[in-house]
Amino acid sequence: DVKVTQSSRYLVKRTGEKVFLECVQDMDHENMFWYRQDPGLGLRLIYFSYDVKMKEKGDIPEGYSVSREKKERFSLILESASTNQTSMYLCASSFSGPQETQYFGPGTRLLVL
Amino acid sequence: EDQVTQSPEALRLQEGESSSLNCSYTVSGLRGLFWYRQDPGKGPEFLFTLYSAGEEKEKERLKATLTKKESFLHITAPKPEDSATYLCAVHPGNRDDKIIFGKGTRLHILP
Repeated sequence: DVKVTQSSRYLVKRTGEKVFLECVQDMDHENMFWYRQDPGLGLRLIYFSYDVKMKEKGDIPEGYSVSREKKERFSLILESASTNQTSMYLCASSFSGPQETQYFGPGTRLLVL
Repeated sequence: EDQVTQSPEALRLQEGESSSLNCSYTVSGLRGLFWYRQDPGKGPEFLFTLYSAGEEKEKERLKATLTKKESFLHITAPKPEDSATYLCAVHPGNRDDKIIFGKGTRLHILP
């Protein structure tokens, strides 16, 4: 079974704090993704990575950065959290090539006060 | 512009009342279409991948079908535990490994 885990289920932070969200997958997937999900807006891609130390911007990268030092781990960083970054954050991973199904973690619900 | 539209936004059914959810897409080339189930407060759970028109896949009370313009998720004799949001996503041919999600259909099965 594919397993994608995220470091926290719930997180409460103050405006201006630096926030780290961690994601780990155990299926040796090349690709990893960070999304945010908001009511009425659906899932929006923030960043993705197709290899170690590689990253590409998604549709809404502003205010976020990422790090991928190891194949199984992909971190999302909010350099200075703001209230409009309150959201559900979802990590996913997939193989490259024909088997491209993305598998998701349980999500981190972040509240920025 | 690549787009994925799901309908209806919400659907209430009686237990045992079969129905279908629709996912229509406009993309420049289709590499795959995915269906997920999402329970409140949780991450999406993978259900099916379809790759070509005419393909069908089944799992318990769910059956997914694909044409050149849309996909249907048929739910036969649903039970209350089938209540969830069902997400459709499309992998266009020109977006590397990024996929486009629809906004989902919220399904509620009444006992």
